[in-house]
Amino acid sequence: SVLTQPPSVSAAPGQRVTISCSGSSSNIGNNHVAWFQQLPGTAPKVLIYHTNERPSGIPDRFYGSKSGTSATLGITGLQTGDEADYYCGVWDTSLSVYVFGAGTKVTVL
Amino acid sequence: EAQLVESGGGLVQPGGSLRLSCVASGFTLRDYWIHWVRQGPGKGLVWVLRVNGDGSITNYADSVKGRFIVSRDNAKNTVDLQMNSLGVEDTAVYYCVRGLGGNDYWGQGTLVTVSS
Repeated sequence: SVLTQPPSVSAAPGQRVTISCSGSSSNIGNNHVAWFQQLPGTAPKVLIYHTNERPSGIPDRFYGSKSGTSATLGITGLQTGDEADYYCGVWDTSLSVYVFGAGTKVTVL
Repeated sequence: EAQLVESGGGLVQPGGSLRLSCVASGFTLRDYWIHWVRQGPGKGLVWVLRVNGDGSITNYADSVKGRFIVSRDNAKNTVDLQMNSLGVEDTAVYYCVRGLGGNDYWGQGTLVTVSS
């Protein structure tokens, strides 16, 4: 993938996890990043858009940030219901395509 | 409430064609870029293409360029995806997405299986 994410992260309930998404100047470095959550057997939904904005209904336990060519999704107060696959996505200006990371599986221990 | 409903998926033989439709409701379709994203069995998300509000601008992933064609009819609130020369690698759930990357909205997806 053009974007690099860790395959998995895990933590106990109530803890915090962060998921990194590494790209380049043609994507993360100059465009807004989105983060998507996909619960088992369901369609993805946006958690974070424009790098750090949350849609209505998404709790502030989920937050996004960016530094240079890397972005981060953070989840605080981890809950069992947060077990899912998480994807970062961004427009790549050089390739003229939208690119996704390979996804990160979050496990609540 | 915004809604996107995909249809048209099914089983098709390699080399065959299939036409998917995405019907929108609850919002003004012409105001949004529409994207198609697919997900192979047990795989991650893969962007396929996008089309702007009036259909004048399209971008395609290299893997589908020349084989897939997107069209939209804002008056009928539909976006169609014509898929030709299908290969087994095109087997996936296909999602229609409004405004991908923004405060977007995803349909529930339609399954396309390419197999002999």
